Amino acid sequence: GQNIDQPTEMTATEGAIVQINCTYQTSGFNGLFWYQQHAGEAPTFLSYNVLDGLEEKGRFSSFLSRSKGYSYLLLKELQMKDSASYLCAVRAASGAGSYQLTFGKGTKLSVIP
Amino acid sequence: NAGVMQNPRHLVRRRGQEARLRCSPMKGHSHVYWYRQLPEEGLKFMVYLQKENIIDESGMPKERFSAEFPKEGPSILRIQQVVRGDSAAYFCASSPPGSYGTEQYFGPGTRLTVT
Repeated sequence: GQNIDQPTEMTATEGAIVQINCTYQTSGFNGLFWYQQHAGEAPTFLSYNVLDGLEEKGRFSSFLSRSKGYSYLLLKELQMKDSASYLCAVRAASGAGSYQLTFGKGTKLSVIP
Repeated sequence: NAGVMQNPRHLVRRRGQEARLRCSPMKGHSHVYWYRQLPEEGLKFMVYLQKENIIDESGMPKERFSAEFPKEGPSILRIQQVVRGDSAAYFCASSPPGSYGTEQYFGPGTRLTVT
């Protein structure tokens, strides 16, 4: 089975840095995704990690450690518009199920002035 | 280049009625995925389709739910005889051929309310 854990809520200050953690236990692994979802809107793709290490993309970076079943999303220079839910999702290793994503419940980030 | 389109955005049905949710994938995308998001829950995979084929329906409830992606037209998720527990946001995602699901672009969702 698949189990993905991430904190329910976080609060951070505008201009600061925040790290959102995600741990997973899955039967097989073929990539980890981060999505951003504003209330009432579609999830939008942020990052994809399949190898260990850090992927940087502007103000957002994502890290993966497959041996530890751990990832984090790092947001720098926080802006008010970054207030949203951040979804961690894992893709299974192979077979027809390798196309489906298993999502955590999401971390609701509130950015305050 | 329009994104993934879903309609209706909001749907209200009485218990026992049928709900039909539509999804038009991005241009050039031939793979469609349906996910359900219950209140305070994460997105749950339901079904993965390619044109005229159901590839993986392991997340679909065994009864009342069906999905199709015809050769022409949008993908349809149909829920027959809806119950209150079906109230949720239903998201569709699409991906281009050859991406093996690594690029899934989501639509804005259909929020179903069963009264």
